[in-house]
Amino acid sequence: NAGVTQTPKFRVLKTGQSMTLLCAQDMNHEYMYWYRQDPGMGLRLIHYSVGEGTTAKGEVPDGYNVSRLKKQNFLLGLESAAPSQTSVYFCASTRALDRVDTEAFFGQGTRLTVV
Amino acid sequence: AQKVTQAQTEISVVEKEDVTLDCVYETRDTTYYLFWYKQPPSGELVFLIRRNSFDEQNEISGRYSWNFQKSTSSFNFTITASQVVDSAVYFCALRGAYMIKAAGNKLTFGGGTRVLVKP
Repeated sequence: NAGVTQTPKFRVLKTGQSMTLLCAQDMNHEYMYWYRQDPGMGLRLIHYSVGEGTTAKGEVPDGYNVSRLKKQNFLLGLESAAPSQTSVYFCASTRALDRVDTEAFFGQGTRLTVV
Repeated sequence: AQKVTQAQTEISVVEKEDVTLDCVYETRDTTYYLFWYKQPPSGELVFLIRRNSFDEQNEISGRYSWNFQKSTSSFNFTITASQVVDSAVYFCALRGAYMIKAAGNKLTFGGGTRVLVKP
C-alpha cells in the first residue's frame, strides 16, 4: 500500500522555468491538498481539492495552479518559477468524513530549489 | 481565521529529560480538532496524537502525554524520558469541524519546534 506518492523528490529550476509536481494516492480519498514548508512557518496550504474536477485556493495560492482530473491524482504547477518558491512541498489526502479520526496522510515531500 | 503558535523554535535536552512543547491556537469555531505531528530528519510527517475540542481529558500514550486546556487555548505536548530518536521538528495543527464539503478538512499548522536530544 503506497499511500501518498509525490514525484519528483528533488528538483532544481531556473527562474522562469515551469514544472509540474505530481501527487498520487491509492486510498480512494476524496480530499487532496498541497502545502509548502518553509523554515519557521510550518506548513501552509497552497491549494486543495474536495473532489475530482474541483479545486480551491488555500492560504498562499499565488504563483501556483492545480488540477484534479482524476480522483487519485492532484497536480501542482508552477508556470514561471521564482526564487521565493524555493521550498519543500507536501501533498496530503484525507477521506471526506469530518471526524476527529479523519487522518491526513502525507507524501514524502518534494524539495524544490529555484535559482 | 485560524492560527496556531508554537513560541519555542528550538529546544535542546539531554537524553532522559522530559520535554514539553507549547502550542497556543486561535479559532472562532466552536468545534475543532487538534493534532501533533513529528517530522524526523528524514523529512516525512508522522501523525502522533489528536484531540476533540469537546474532550479536555488529558491522556498518556507511552512516553507521550498532552495537556489540552480550552480555557487558555493551549494544547501542550510532553515527551517523557526523551531519547535521541525523539530528535525532530514537532508541529501542532488545528482543523475546524464544519461538516461542509467545501471546507475540505484543511489543517492549519504552527511554525514547528525543533527538538534536539543529546546523548
